[in-house]
Amino acid sequence: GQQLNQSPQSMFIQEGEDVSMNCTSSSIFNTWLWYKQDPGEGPVLLIALYKAGELTSNGRLTAQFGITRKDSFLNISASIPSDVGIYFCAGQNRSGSRLTFGEGTQLTVNP
Amino acid sequence: NAGVTQTPKFQVLKTGQSMTLQCAQDMNHEYMSWYRQDPGMGLRLIHYSVGAGITDQGEVPNGYNVSRSTTEDFPLRLLSAAPSQTSVYFCASSLHTGPYGYTFGSGTRLTVV
Repeated sequence: GQQLNQSPQSMFIQEGEDVSMNCTSSSIFNTWLWYKQDPGEGPVLLIALYKAGELTSNGRLTAQFGITRKDSFLNISASIPSDVGIYFCAGQNRSGSRLTFGEGTQLTVNP
Repeated sequence: NAGVTQTPKFQVLKTGQSMTLQCAQDMNHEYMSWYRQDPGMGLRLIHYSVGAGITDQGEVPNGYNVSRSTTEDFPLRLLSAAPSQTSVYFCASSLHTGPYGYTFGSGTRLTVV
């Protein structure tokens, strides 16, 4: 089946630093999504991308939908302690009925 | 508007027991899905539904059954629990169109002993 490779698996950074993570796929997706998961909770949608080449921002978050439709990245600028959590990329199929998730990036921010 | 509600939050089962994980949404979403989350593996799709009366298998359907008799509810049944089904289970729902992505419940942590 489809697989998403997400990297890095974990990151340890200082407060105020910028963060970048990315996902690559062997297959094309129509939509790329980025989620954040806090301990004991379900994933929460951060950014959705719908067009190849699209660059979208949400506050300190910026994400891009790759031109090939097989990759996406997420940047977090000026990290703060509440950015701690697991970040997941997800690709959505054409009909929107299925999501395929990456393995996640565990982010730790040291004050 | 409660969003996606999952019950129970925690459950311990003995091998061979059966049980149903409940999922309900009050957003009139057509699409609903069940995922399991295991350490280091992200979320994997078990079953999904694109509307009442319509279900289909995801990546890891073996050992699970679903049905969708109403738009609101999408229960997941474990027929004969096995230790390999120890996991955190998430239900999610989405409108079939529009930039909303999927909304997730808070999960059910299941342990099979």
